[in-house]
Amino acid sequence: EPEVTQTPSHQVTQMGQEVILRCVPISNHLYFYWYRQILGQKVEFLVSFYNNEISEKSEIFDDQFSVERPDGSNFTLKIRSTKLEDSAMYFCASSEVGTYNSPLHFGNGTRLTVT
Amino acid sequence: DAKTTQPPSMDCAEGRAANLPCNHSTISGNEYVYWYRQIHSQGPQYIIHGLKNNETNEMASLIITEDRKSSTLILPHATLRDTAVYYCIVRPGGGADGLTFGKGTHLIIQP
Repeated sequence: EPEVTQTPSHQVTQMGQEVILRCVPISNHLYFYWYRQILGQKVEFLVSFYNNEISEKSEIFDDQFSVERPDGSNFTLKIRSTKLEDSAMYFCASSEVGTYNSPLHFGNGTRLTVT
Repeated sequence: DAKTTQPPSMDCAEGRAANLPCNHSTISGNEYVYWYRQIHSQGPQYIIHGLKNNETNEMASLIITEDRKSSTLILPHATLRDTAVYYCIVRPGGGADGLTFGKGTHLIIQP
């Protein structure tokens, strides 16, 4: 069964450094998402992306964050200058179409640790 | 904020049916009910979704009340691997709208 893959599984970085989290969505999917989950807290929506542009973003997704689909398969989340509070699991998801009849499928996440 | 209410935790004996309730009294006519689960810190796993009819797949059954104000996810023969946090989510709108996760129900399957 096709799945969303994320790399790396664990990223450790120092405060102030830039990080790029990578995702390969399911191949025929058109909508892409990033979520995060701080340890012990809820899964939180960050951003959705369609047709090479951001469709929706949350208050968390400020100017420090950016997303890109650099080629036909990858979808990336960049954090420009990491802060301690960016430490979290980051999940990528994709869906076939953007209606509520098309489920999101999630990857197993990248654990980001900012020291 | 999430538009659903779920009990924070439930226990179920292995081999029994696990019935997880969810209230969504403010659901709109065109909103679907989705169920996901999260095992440890893995990514949320899609289980099932429905609009108004009951649905069944290889993982579970979804029973939605006639007034659509509540639903029940049924895992017919729970195993230890079904221990997870289960999220009931009402999906708003269309377009690229994602999912809003609440705190879910922590289901513990007892041996």
